[in-house]
Amino acid sequence: EIVLTQSPGTLSLSPGERATLSCRASQSVSGTYLAWFQLKPGQAPRLLIFGASNRDTGIPDRFIGSGSGTDFTLTISRLEPEDFAVYHCHYYGSSHTFGQGTKVEI
Amino acid sequence: QVQLQVSGPGLVKPSETLSLTCSVSGDSLSPYYWSWFRQPPGKRLEWLGYIYFSGTPNYNPSLKSRVTMSVDTSKNQVSLNLTSVTAADTALYYCARRFDLWGQGTLVTVSS
Repeated sequence: EIVLTQSPGTLSLSPGERATLSCRASQSVSGTYLAWFQLKPGQAPRLLIFGASNRDTGIPDRFIGSGSGTDFTLTISRLEPEDFAVYHCHYYGSSHTFGQGTKVEI
Repeated sequence: QVQLQVSGPGLVKPSETLSLTCSVSGDSLSPYYWSWFRQPPGKRLEWLGYIYFSGTPNYNPSLKSRVTMSVDTSKNQVSLNLTSVTAADTALYYCARRFDLWGQGTLVTVSS
């Protein structure tokens, strides 16, 4: 079973700063099946990145996904107020598994 | 605009069956598969399984003996049944189109 480990658990930043979120897989995975999404209380989870580096429709270009093999990164180049949320990585290959989440807080 | 809405009881007694329905508006069930996920309080998200529009399912092996999914194309709905629930099944339950479009979660609490 693939286990995804995200770090850090919490990122304390200010608007305008850069956020770098890490997702490490317990074994090499195909980037084709690696996604990042944003979770806010009371809202539907929002897909940001699929296939490791492809932005979903309507996602601002400040969200950048990268990585391959076991190490994947979500970078938010310049934080906007609405970006403070929890971010999860998600492997959606033969089965699905999730990271434990990184909270980006002000 | 595609929307997914989960409905069902918010409280289920231990040993009973949890039943949820995901109503899809703005899109057809075809040609997608439709997923169910949950997030217990303080824990990571868990995939329960998915079902194709044709009715072919794929369940998480850890829940396979207790979970059943079905589709009703006439109503544009997907359903989840989870039998013999315990407190460990208390969670925020989500449905999604594949992995890319999610509905708002619904909290289900298992308690007597």
